[in-house]
Amino acid sequence: GENVEQHPSTLSVQEGDSAVIKCTYSDSASNYFPWYKQELGKRPQLIIDIRSNVGEKKDQRIAVTLNKTAKHFSLHITETQPEDSAVYFCAASISRAAGNKLTFGGGTRVLVKP
Amino acid sequence: DAGVTQSPTHLIKTRGQQVTLRCSPKSGHDTVSWYQQALGQGPQFIFQYYEEEERQRGNFPDRFSGHQFPNYSSELNVNALLLGDSALYLCASSFQGAGGYTFGSGTRLTVV
Repeated sequence: GENVEQHPSTLSVQEGDSAVIKCTYSDSASNYFPWYKQELGKRPQLIIDIRSNVGEKKDQRIAVTLNKTAKHFSLHITETQPEDSAVYFCAASISRAAGNKLTFGGGTRVLVKP
Repeated sequence: DAGVTQSPTHLIKTRGQQVTLRCSPKSGHDTVSWYQQALGQGPQFIFQYYEEEERQRGNFPDRFSGHQFPNYSSELNVNALLLGDSALYLCASSFQGAGGYTFGSGTRLTVV
């Protein structure tokens, strides 16, 4: 089955700097890659997603890039702010009629220092 | 517009007991998935329901079962609880499983 690895497990950045989180997946059939932000004690919230027919997607300070050949995708956060501090999860999925489970990475704890 | 709602928010059970968790999907969504999130880890897929049928299942034993009702709400049942079942159980909904899953706040289950 699908396996998703996420690095780093923790990331500390200075406010205003950029943060990059990288994920690799094993199943080349995966075609949907969402990123979730989970604050302590709260639900995972979708912050951005990308499908396999797109190489890059941007939404304000957040961008995701996808390299299908290398089977990896990355989350880029620019101009980090203290409210960006949270745990971030990448996930991979194969969208098909038989069902499409999300396989998550282990998470990255991001701390933005003011 | 109500998001995904789960009940109860917290639950304490004894080993060997049975538990039922409930989920109401976001308005307009018809697909419900359940995930188990152990402390400090990413969510693990349990199963997905669509049109009242289990469409896909993760690597969880038969002690974990579910149901989807005609109004798209869903239940997760766990029998013969083990200490290792202690976790946050998350429900996620989407429209026809097309991605864009919305998660509920979860049910924190503690087995003692």
